Amino acid sequence: QTVVTQEPSFSVSPGGTVTLTCGLSSGSVSTSYYPSWYQQTPGQAPRTLIYSTNTRSSGVPDRFSGSILGNKAALTITGAQADDESDYYCVLYMGSGVSVFGGGTKLTVL
Amino acid sequence: EVQLVESGGGLVQPGGSLRLSCAASGFTFSTYSMNWVRQAPGKGLEWVSYINSNSNSINYADSVKGRFTISRDNAKNSLYLQMNSLRDEDTAVYYCARRAGSFVPNFDYWGQGTLVTVSS
Repeated sequence: QTVVTQEPSFSVSPGGTVTLTCGLSSGSVSTSYYPSWYQQTPGQAPRTLIYSTNTRSSGVPDRFSGSILGNKAALTITGAQADDESDYYCVLYMGSGVSVFGGGTKLTVL
Repeated sequence: EVQLVESGGGLVQPGGSLRLSCAASGFTFSTYSMNWVRQAPGKGLEWVSYINSNSNSINYADSVKGRFTISRDNAKNSLYLQMNSLRDEDTAVYYCARRAGSFVPNFDYWGQGTLVTVSS
C-alpha cells in the first residue's frame, strides 16, 4: 500500500519562507508522479496551487512554488502571509487514474 | 466559468445506499476525466474514484472497491457516484474534481462538496 508522507504541522513567521515536503513511504518522488499541491481552509473546498511538480495554477501568486528536493516533492512559500494559514495537501499520481493524497500539513503563520 | 455542483448527500443508515451527482458547466464536460474525492470530518482528503471522458477507464480506492460505482452522462454534463453498503467510515464531504487534462493527471477544479452521513 502506497503511503504519501507530509509533515503534520509547520509554523512560519509572517514574511518568512517555509518548505513543505511530500514523500513516499518507500521510494523517491520524481516528476513521474506528477506531484500536485492543494490548499484548504476550514469549511472550504480545496484550491489547486501547483500541478505537475512546479506549474502554478491560474491565479496563484508566484510566492508559491513547487519542486523536487532530494527524494521528495516540495512546496515553498516565500514571504508568508497571514492568509496562507491553511492545510496543505500533496497528491501523487500512480497511473491508471489512481491518485494518493498525503495526510496534509497544517501551516500556522505566527 | 467552470462550475461543479454536487448534490445528493444526506443521512443514511449503515448498509444503505445513496447516489451523488455532480453537475458540470462552463467547459466541454465530455472531453474531461473526472474524480470523486472525500474528506471525513476532521480528517484529510482521500481520493475515491476516477472515470475518463468516455467511461472506458475507471478506478477506485481500495476502501470503496466493490461498493461504489462511478458513472457519467456526457449528454447531461453530469457525474455520478452510486454508493452501496455504506459504512460509518464513509461519512464525509464528497467533492467532485476535474482532471486538468489528458497529460496532466492532477485536479484543477473542485466542487463545493456534499455531505454524506452514515449513522443509525
